[in-house]
Amino acid sequence: NAGVTQTPKFQVLKTGQSMTLQCAQDMNHNSMYWYRQDPGMGLRLIYYSASEGTTDKGEVPNGYNVSRLNKREFSLRLESAAPSQTSVYFCASRGDNLGGKLFFGSGTQLSVL
Amino acid sequence: ELKVEQNPLFLSMQEGKNYTIYCNYSTTSDRLYWYRQDPGKSLESLFVLLSNGAVKQEGRLMASLDTKARLSTLHITAAVHDLSATYFCAVDKYGGSQGNLIFGKGTKLSVKP
Repeated sequence: NAGVTQTPKFQVLKTGQSMTLQCAQDMNHNSMYWYRQDPGMGLRLIYYSASEGTTDKGEVPNGYNVSRLNKREFSLRLESAAPSQTSVYFCASRGDNLGGKLFFGSGTQLSVL
Repeated sequence: ELKVEQNPLFLSMQEGKNYTIYCNYSTTSDRLYWYRQDPGKSLESLFVLLSNGAVKQEGRLMASLDTKARLSTLHITAAVHDLSATYFCAVDKYGGSQGNLIFGKGTKLSVKP
């Protein structure tokens, strides 16, 4: 059972480049999330999707876009990367049961030079 | 704005000792989550506390929730080295189970022989 799968695991970009982080879950969950983790900051919500076809902004959405491609997949796009977007990005999904806990992917470490 | 504050942020313990991590939050919520993160790894769900007075235990860890005081505690009993990790508490932004979790900054626990 793969759970939540993120790709790539590592990425280095130059300022101004674009890229898409991919996330897929195989648990038939309705809700999916993108978080970023910075040292000493905990995790901050970028965007979320409560169900297929819907997306909403979280705490720190500026500079990002998302697409909920289908129930399984939720991608995060950086259109013009900036050094401030250097971070570790985590995708998560949540089932409707289990008390609402999130299941996290393994993370993507992104460096923007 | 919902704020989630953990203390301490750093904790160095000796094996065999007991200690408590505190998590305060600023708005009404009937559930709280605890996660563990090992260095360079993803987040793993430890506890989901679903109501006032909820108490859950797993091995040497015990978590409790007081919704009236807006306080959760994570108690460590007779610490062992394997418990060394960063522990996060999180609260749903809307007080329910939508999954828009706001995380504390984490408590980095180091258990020394």
